[in-house]
Amino acid sequence: DIQMTQSPSSLSASVGDRVTITCRASQGIRNDLGWYQQKPGKAPKRLIYAASSLQSGVPSRFSGSGSGTEFTLTISSLQPEDLATYYCLQHNSYPSTFGQGTRLEIK
Amino acid sequence: QVQLVESGGGVVQPGRSLRLSCAASGFTFINYGMHWVRQAPGKGLEWVAVTWYDGVNKYYGDSVKGRFTISRDNSKNTLYLQMNSLRAEDTAVYYCARGATARSGTPDHWGQGTLVTVSS
Repeated sequence: DIQMTQSPSSLSASVGDRVTITCRASQGIRNDLGWYQQKPGKAPKRLIYAASSLQSGVPSRFSGSGSGTEFTLTISSLQPEDLATYYCLQHNSYPSTFGQGTRLEIK
Repeated sequence: QVQLVESGGGVVQPGRSLRLSCAASGFTFINYGMHWVRQAPGKGLEWVAVTWYDGVNKYYGDSVKGRFTISRDNSKNTLYLQMNSLRAEDTAVYYCARGATARSGTPDHWGQGTLVTVSS
């Protein structure tokens, strides 16, 4: 099975900050990766698919990059409504696997 | 618009069975793979299973393989998860989610989830 190692597990940042979250795959997964945002008590919402494609309706401050084993989710200018937990998910091979999650707090 | 509505959750004793359903609407169900994903209380997301568009190809997470069965009825636009030999560690909110394509891709639409509690 492919393991997804996500870091950091939590982070605290201020409004306007640039925030970066990383996922590392235990083997190459091409660009078969998505990023999700989950707010408390809600279902996850897909932000990014195919590693770098922005989901329709998602603000442009969110972006994804990477290929192979290293992937990054970037929030260019953090907003109060970005308080959430973020997950990566690989679908290169089954079983699909999520990263452990990154809890994002607003200072 | 795409709607996914899970049902069938509840409290069940260890070792017993439960079947979850997910009613889909707002899209052509047969054109998409469908997933189950779960989240234990206070924990992260765990991918559970997927069925491709035709219901033939199915894949499972290691923790549920041999105990859970995913299926779909394309005539009823409904996805199922049959859960047997339930354990306390299966306690979670179970989400159904639409795959991005007929076979693969990260899920793009999710239901609101249904809570399964395994307890004596």
